[in-house]
Order: sequence, then structure tokens, then C-alpha cells
Amino acid sequence: DQQVKQNSPSLSVQEGRISILNCDYTNSMFDYFLWYKKYPAEGPTFLISISSIKDKNEDGRFTVFLNKSAKHLSLHIVPSQPGDSAVYFCLCYNFNKFYFGSGTKLNVKP
Amino acid sequence: NAGVTQTPKFQVLKTGQSMTLQCAQDMNHNSMYWYRQDPGMGLRLIYYSASEGTTDKGEVPNGYNVSRLNKREFSLRLESAAPSQTSVYFCASSATGGGQPQHFGDGTRLSIL
Repeated sequence: DQQVKQNSPSLSVQEGRISILNCDYTNSMFDYFLWYKKYPAEGPTFLISISSIKDKNEDGRFTVFLNKSAKHLSLHIVPSQPGDSAVYFCLCYNFNKFYFGSGTKLNVKP
Repeated sequence: NAGVTQTPKFQVLKTGQSMTLQCAQDMNHNSMYWYRQDPGMGLRLIYYSASEGTTDKGEVPNGYNVSRLNKREFSLRLESAAPSQTSVYFCASSATGGGQPQHFGDGTRLSIL
């Protein structure tokens, strides 16, 4: 029973356009949400986070949106760059319980 | 570079063999974690240690044991390896006790034949 789902295994976007990565969760008790980026043969690295008391958090080209009623989280990358090509994981967290999504592989084409 | 160091990077075992994966962090973090990553499954938590001297089960603890040897080191042991444990294993750490993982090692790719 997956509590966190990333339904798109892969996404391909042209350089300079927007990338939108999605994450859905089932547990309404999650109160902190994070996105990680992972390159091949490396561990994930933390990218951006959002608390459940907010609906948007922005950091440079990266913006995370949270829709609590829909239990939906998204990561927007604008503009997308070839170096953004990686696997992106969402993580949903509540008091020592944290669950990763299965990941979305983003390919940004030059 | 400061961070999380995992050894070995690659290992092939036969079914029934035992193995300990090592993890060390030099950031003085309180919490440490072991995850496994399998295709289509994301990262699943095996065990974690919120602070030195404590360990707790995660989502998929069966077949594994852990030791928080000191604040720096957190090892994962497979007592009798099974093919189902073929995976990529990641160690992670966090400054806050019980907080979400902040820094990951580069992983150990383990194959069990």
C-alpha cells in the first residue's frame, strides 16, 4: 500500500520550458514535504521543501506547490536546463514517518 | 569532502552469506538511516537511528539488523543474504533527531546470486 505515488515514471521537456513533476499522497497527517534530486550513481540530494501550513515555496528556478485538499504536491522548474536531467523523488513526512515516492525521471533536451 | 560515506560501493554475495554495509558521517548529525532503492518502488526505509544508542524499524526491516556504533557510524547487516535483498542501499543522515534525511551517501549496489 503505497502512501506516496509519483504516477509519471518519466518526463521529457525542452530546454527553457517548464517542467512539472507531480506527487500524490494518501495520508492527511503528513505535515512536511520535500523534493530530492538524484543523479546516476549518486545519493539523492535535497532540493526544496514545504510545510503543510503553506501552499507555495519558491527557491530560484524551483517552486513547490501543495494542495492539501487534493493531497497533491508538485515541483515546477522554470526554465528547465539540461543539468536538471535527473530522477526526482518526493518525500512526505509526519513525526518519524517518512515515505518516498517511486521517482520521476526528467530529461531536459537541449 | 564532508558528508556520508558508504562502503563498499559494490558487492556480490551468494545466497546465505552474511555481509555488513558500513556508513559513516562526519557532520555530527544525530539521526542516521538505511534505505533500499528498487525499480518502481522509490526508497524504502529499512532502519533508522534517531540518536546514538537507539535504533528503530522502518518499512522493510525483515532480514536486516543494524548497529549504531557511535554517533558517526551506522552499519547494516544481512545475516543470511537472499536474492530478494538485491538492491541499491543508501545511508543518510539528519541533524535533527528523527528528522527527514538531509544528506545521502552514494549508495552500495548489492547483488545476491
